[in-house]
Amino acid sequence: DTEVTQTPKHLVMGMTNKKSLKCEQHMGHRAMYWYKQKAKKPPELMFVYSYEKLSINESVPSRFSPECPNSSLLNLHLHALQPEDSALYLCASSQVARGIANYGYTFGSGTRLTVV
Amino acid sequence: LAKTTQPISMDSYEGQEVNITCSHNNIATNDYITWYQQFPSQGPRFIIQGYKTKVTNEVASLFIPADRKSSTLSLPRVSLSDTAVYYCLVGFPGGYNKLIFGAGTRLAVHP
Repeated sequence: DTEVTQTPKHLVMGMTNKKSLKCEQHMGHRAMYWYKQKAKKPPELMFVYSYEKLSINESVPSRFSPECPNSSLLNLHLHALQPEDSALYLCASSQVARGIANYGYTFGSGTRLTVV
Repeated sequence: LAKTTQPISMDSYEGQEVNITCSHNNIATNDYITWYQQFPSQGPRFIIQGYKTKVTNEVASLFIPADRKSSTLSLPRVSLSDTAVYYCLVGFPGGYNKLIFGAGTRLAVHP
């Protein structure tokens, strides 16, 4: 299995709702990531997990709450979002880079989130 | 931190070779250069990675000069399905698992 699977593919939520995005990989990768992508913009890094521990939080608002229950799963819990949070949310995974090499990332197809 | 600069957009025709150049003047000694391709509403897809000289795989070639301050992605004989955004990324020192995307190059392939 060489894929990163994200569910759901599309999500519409109200500003008072609580929802979760899910990401799963079975490649044995020990680094997992959340990116946010607005239309015609590059992906922006949100969170990095390394060995199931949060290692990077790019000053993301607390209404986004990541969780890594185990080495294969990554969740993003959403609460009290704003319409400007509407975007494509991408999950990625990679081997944990060691030494001088930067390993390629494998991205999922994303969750298209619309906040109304 | 190393910053990458790419052309915002490029146009080509089916069957032509396309070269996209990326500038990364502040690349660090241990950094690798990686290129990704992204279609609309999909996640980026790894294309090729290199450290120096030339790397070739089944879909592309990557040329890196000796000073490593730039790199060129070469796509041979493009087709309509190569229309996408192409991102050049350089590994940032101090954040080995912090991959930052630049603006990317929008390639449009015409019949």
